[in-house]
Amino acid sequence: DTVMTQSPASMSTSVGERVTVNCKASQSVGTVVAWFQQKPGQSPKRLIYLATNRHTGVPDRFTGSGFGRDFTLTISNVEAEDLAVYYCLQYDSIPLTFGSGTKLEIK
Amino acid sequence: EVQLVESGGGLVQPGASLKLSCVASGFTFSDYWMSWVRQTPGKTMEWIGDIKYDGSYTNYAPSLKNRFTISRDNAKSTLYLQMSNVRSEDTATYYCTITKGAYWGQGTLVTVSS
Repeated sequence: DTVMTQSPASMSTSVGERVTVNCKASQSVGTVVAWFQQKPGQSPKRLIYLATNRHTGVPDRFTGSGFGRDFTLTISNVEAEDLAVYYCLQYDSIPLTFGSGTKLEIK
Repeated sequence: EVQLVESGGGLVQPGASLKLSCVASGFTFSDYWMSWVRQTPGKTMEWIGDIKYDGSYTNYAPSLKNRFTISRDNAKSTLYLQMSNVRSEDTATYYCTITKGAYWGQGTLVTVSS
């Protein structure tokens, strides 16, 4: 199985700042990575697919990058509504595997 | 508007069977692969498997393949997850998703306990 090692487990930031979340795959997955946002009490929502493509309606504050084994989700100009847990997912090989999540807190 | 509505969860005893459903609307169900994903109480996400748009092919997580079965009824725009011989570690919220997580339902909670 491809292990997705996600970091950090949690972070705290202020409104207007920029944050990055990282995922490292145990083997190359090309660009077949997605990022999800799960707000408290809600189901996950896709932000990014194929590493860099924003899902319909996702603000351009959210940017995905990476190829091969290393992937990053960058949130620019953080807003209070970005309070959530963020997950990466590789869907290059079966079984699909998720990162362990990054909890973003707003100071 | 895309909608996925899961149902069928609840409290079940270890060793029992349970069938979850996911009714889809707002898109052409028969055109899309569909997946099941679960989230444990500790928030770990686990992919269960998926099914081809015509129901002719399925993939599963190897650890669940022998106990879980995914099926679909395109005439009813409904996805199913048959769970057998459930264990305490199957306690989770179960989500259906379009393809590889494009859209998610609200989830249905399954609690396995005696």
